[in-house]
Amino acid sequence: QSALTQPASVSGSPGQSITISCIGTSNDIGGFNYVSWYQQHPGKVPKLIIHDVSHRPSGVSTRFSASKSGNTASLTISGLQAEDEAHYHCASYTTASTVIFGGGTYLAVL
Amino acid sequence: QVQVRESGPGLVKPSETLSLTCTVSGGSINTYYWAWIRQAPGRGLQWIGYISHGRTNYNPSLKSRVTISLGASDDQMSLRLNSLTAADTAVYYCARQRTDVFDVWGQGTMVSVTS
Repeated sequence: QSALTQPASVSGSPGQSITISCIGTSNDIGGFNYVSWYQQHPGKVPKLIIHDVSHRPSGVSTRFSASKSGNTASLTISGLQAEDEAHYHCASYTTASTVIFGGGTYLAVL
Repeated sequence: QVQVRESGPGLVKPSETLSLTCTVSGGSINTYYWAWIRQAPGRGLQWIGYISHGRTNYNPSLKSRVTISLGASDDQMSLRLNSLTAADTAVYYCARQRTDVFDVWGQGTMVSVTS
């Protein structure tokens, strides 16, 4: 199984909004509403920020939102803050009952 | 509150077998799916596989080299990865899994494959 496709990096200024894409296939993203997103600061453990395509766990800022269209999932962060600078990873359940991750996207807040 | 801790050797030699243990506290290992995930230096996350009630499923790219099993005590599970190469150098995480969701993670353990 090939990794989901994410841009290597994105950037934005404080207060702006950015969107990170995650491209899969009909065997993963397109086949289920089981897409999740993880935030990972350098040297830290990944943290779940979105599950089931668009649901935020308790305690996650409402500035994080996500959606899916066809084989592509997207994470949007609005009102960028310095603390949002991190790597973001998408993940999807697959038709083989496995999980596949994206390559990760580094968000730079300029 | 469920907590997870990985343990194992930090250094292993090429061609040898890696053995890691995941210890779960504050909850039952028999209640959920438990997964191993790894992250090579500077790379993304890679799902290795899971175990639930003794049933396992593995990443197809690693399936021939991986075994996940329940541990000696009912709060542990283990990972065995054989025929190691430098490409297996990574931080290995244990995490609680529900379909694609990993909501409880250990701190991870760094494993370096080097002679």
